[in-house]
Amino acid sequence: AQSVTQPDIHITVSEGASLELRCNYSYGATPYLFWYVQSPGQGLQLLLKYFSGDTLVQGIKGFEAEFKRSQSSFNLRKPSVHWSDAAEYFCAVAESNFGNEKLTFGTGTRLTIIP
Amino acid sequence: DTGVSQDPRHKITKRGQNVTFRCDPISEHNRLYWYRQTLGQGPEFLTYFQNEAQLEKSRLLSDRFSAERPKGSFSTLEIQRTEQGDSAMYLCASSNRLSSSYEQYFGPGTRLTVT
Repeated sequence: AQSVTQPDIHITVSEGASLELRCNYSYGATPYLFWYVQSPGQGLQLLLKYFSGDTLVQGIKGFEAEFKRSQSSFNLRKPSVHWSDAAEYFCAVAESNFGNEKLTFGTGTRLTIIP
Repeated sequence: DTGVSQDPRHKITKRGQNVTFRCDPISEHNRLYWYRQTLGQGPEFLTYFQNEAQLEKSRLLSDRFSAERPKGSFSTLEIQRTEQGDSAMYLCASSNRLSSSYEQYFGPGTRLTVT
């Protein structure tokens, strides 16, 4: 069965600083990978996804992520964070077996932005 | 397109009572998923429907849980004889299986508190 590890429970960065959130996955086949963001009281919003092709994917709100098969990683990056980026971030992998795209999520990384 | 909606947003119930939640997916989406999210964890898959057929249930879904999707439109999730361990956020998501993007769109969730 697939699994996702987000090793950082909580990260604090200064506004304007760069950000990298780590994600490692375990899945036998080619994974479908996602990053979601969850703000308090809000549902999960998709930031970006990777299925195939270019390993560097661009998403909304200035985020990008790079798929590295050799490291089983899909880290999320942003060159300059804004106070509005404070939220919980979840990495997820889709099980594509028989066309069921149920998602397996990591435990999340809470991002705090300091002025 | 008004997005995925869930009702109620919050539910407080006493142990042993039954509760029912409703999810209205995006209108053209034929797949509907239920997830459960406890504090400090990522969402965990419970079950999913393709149209009106329930195609998979997680081992997390005990016999006290039942989900339906009559006519392939809205879905309900019922929990019978609630226990304190059922306290969680219940998330609904929908996707369009005919689309190649495999994106799941999430609702705002129903927060259940069992006292």
